[in-house]
Amino acid sequence: DTAVSQTPKYLVTQMGNDKSIKCEQNLGHDTMYWYKQDSKKFLKIMFSYNNKELIINETVPNRFSPKSPDKAHLNLHINSLELGDSAVYFCASSQDKQGFGTEAFFGQGTRLTVV
Amino acid sequence: AQKVTQAQTEISVVEKEDVTLDCVYETRDTTYYLFWYKQPPSGELVFLIRRNSFDEQNEISGRYSWNFQKSTSSFNFTITASQVVDSAVYFCALSEKWTDKLIFGTGTRLQVFP
Repeated sequence: DTAVSQTPKYLVTQMGNDKSIKCEQNLGHDTMYWYKQDSKKFLKIMFSYNNKELIINETVPNRFSPKSPDKAHLNLHINSLELGDSAVYFCASSQDKQGFGTEAFFGQGTRLTVV
Repeated sequence: AQKVTQAQTEISVVEKEDVTLDCVYETRDTTYYLFWYKQPPSGELVFLIRRNSFDEQNEISGRYSWNFQKSTSSFNFTITASQVVDSAVYFCALSEKWTDKLIFGTGTRLQVFP
């Protein structure tokens, strides 16, 4: 069974569209994240949820809205997609918050291409 | 502020060579954690190791070893007798107790040629 799974793996869409990426973890972790990896491989945290509560929002445009219906799921909805949103988006989870040094387990990534 | 620097953008070696990937970090916190992750060509991120700021013991796991030196704020990663399967991008990362964020370095692309 995949520990952290994201769908879809690839997403190609036109500018201006709205799209969602889903993430589920079956590790029983309390904390989930979204990271963005740009074309230069730079990884940056976007959001972090702990027990369904938003704890980190890293100055991400409000076109990006995470939603955590329960501890095992953290979805990412993006409105009015722009060319600059093209990237690989990684979902991750950890047993506890990063401040406690728990390692994060990552999904396989969603490659979003906006045309 | 948290910062992780991986000065080596890309390293190429021939199989069986030893290679060291450098990582230098900045933090104001006294309690922090350092990580290495591997991203093979398939794209997933694989956790390799975690160290906390109070444990400066070096660690060896098979062909992998890590050297943590607080005096130089470095957490370097050495692969002994490299293999083609080691080809990947390697990320060093830092989390602080009070910021709850995992901050990644820019990564080092390692290419191991047969």
